[in-house]
Amino acid sequence: GENVEQHPSTLSVQEGDSAVIKCTYSDSASNYFPWYKQELGKRPQLIIDIRSNVGEKKDQRIAVTLNKTAKHFSLHITETQPEDSAVYFCAASIINFGNEKLTFGTGTRLTIIP
Amino acid sequence: DTEVTQTPKHLVMGMTNKKSLKCEQHMGHRAMYWYKQKAKKPPELMFVYSYEKLSINESVPSRFSPECPNSSLLNLHLHALQPEDSALYLCASSHHIQGVYGYTFGSGTRLTVV
Repeated sequence: GENVEQHPSTLSVQEGDSAVIKCTYSDSASNYFPWYKQELGKRPQLIIDIRSNVGEKKDQRIAVTLNKTAKHFSLHITETQPEDSAVYFCAASIINFGNEKLTFGTGTRLTIIP
Repeated sequence: DTEVTQTPKHLVMGMTNKKSLKCEQHMGHRAMYWYKQKAKKPPELMFVYSYEKLSINESVPSRFSPECPNSSLLNLHLHALQPEDSALYLCASSHHIQGVYGYTFGSGTRLTVV
């Protein structure tokens, strides 16, 4: 089965600086890579995702890059703000018309220092 | 309606009790999921229903029994649970229509087994 590794497990960044979180996956058939933000006691919220036919995707301060050959993908947050503090999970899946199992990474606790 | 609704939000049950968790979505999604999330860990898949049929069971103990009465509802019946089953139980639904893919989590039920 799929295995997703995520690094670092904790990350502290000065407000305004950039944060980068990296994930690797094992199953070359995986073709969907979402990133979730989870605040304490709340549901995982999708913040950005990328399909395997795309190398990079941006949405305002957030971007995701994918290297299919190396089987790794990264989350980039620029101009970080205190409200970015949360746990971030990467995930990998094979889109299969209704049987999509998300395999999550172990999570990164991001702390933005004011 | 773009939400997955879970009830109850909190549940405390004894090891001899029988209880049920409920999940509802009205987005027309044809796949629904149960995930279990322990504190400081990523969500782990338990069950997948696709078109109201169980398609994936991740070797979950029989004290957890899923049910999909119709395309909008998903239940998780609980019986004779153990304290280590205490966790956040997340429901999710997904769709893949005309190249657009979406995967939505509910707010979860925080279960405590005493």
